[in-house]
Amino acid sequence: DGGITQSPKYLFRKEGQNVTLSCEQNLNHDAMYWYRQDPGQGLRLIYYSQIVNDFQKGDIAEGYSVSREKKESFPLTVTSAQKNPTAFYLCASSIEGTGLTEAFFGQGTRLTVV
Amino acid sequence: AQSVAQPEDQVNVAEGNPLTVKCTYSVSGNPYLFWYVQYPNRGLQFLLKYITGDNLVKGSYGFEAEFNKSQTSFHLKKPSALVSDSALYFCAVRDGERGRRALTFGSGTRLQVQP
Repeated sequence: DGGITQSPKYLFRKEGQNVTLSCEQNLNHDAMYWYRQDPGQGLRLIYYSQIVNDFQKGDIAEGYSVSREKKESFPLTVTSAQKNPTAFYLCASSIEGTGLTEAFFGQGTRLTVV
Repeated sequence: AQSVAQPEDQVNVAEGNPLTVKCTYSVSGNPYLFWYVQYPNRGLQFLLKYITGDNLVKGSYGFEAEFNKSQTSFHLKKPSALVSDSALYFCAVRDGERGRRALTFGSGTRLQVQP
């Protein structure tokens, strides 16, 4: 089955630790995205990538880092610099980045700081 | 800059009645507009989009949306609501010509359909 796989589904992190969220797609999509979802605030863009080895900051990139070494993978690292990392994280991809085609979303990772 | 507003946190409607979920947008150029639905603890599912052409767009599960350029709106509609339509709905926009190459989402509207 084609799709986007996010892992793990639930993740617990101690304060001060870095943690990496996985996002893999087998749709052969060029563009990939990371969004953060908080109650009442909708989705906010963290980072996005239009092509391998290239990515851009979104609205709330501070405290996060990404890499795009392979077309199918776009991992997100939540660093200790992120002050309030507890949230639901969603990864998405689209065929290309022009906006003409819809984005497909993964099932999300719920990160909790303990 | 591109932005989208969903003025209602929640919409309540009785099963069988028509429903409307409101969305207004702001872009510098031509808007690319999308509606997505989210069920609890899940990702977003695409419903429909407007890029160009007819102002009335038909999508999945009987939903449709009307693009109104003068009112900068893209309201989601369905003639007859089902209990299973109860979910969180997001409107999203991209400035097709000038904006960054990613969608900007609204804050979401929770639709509650009562039996």
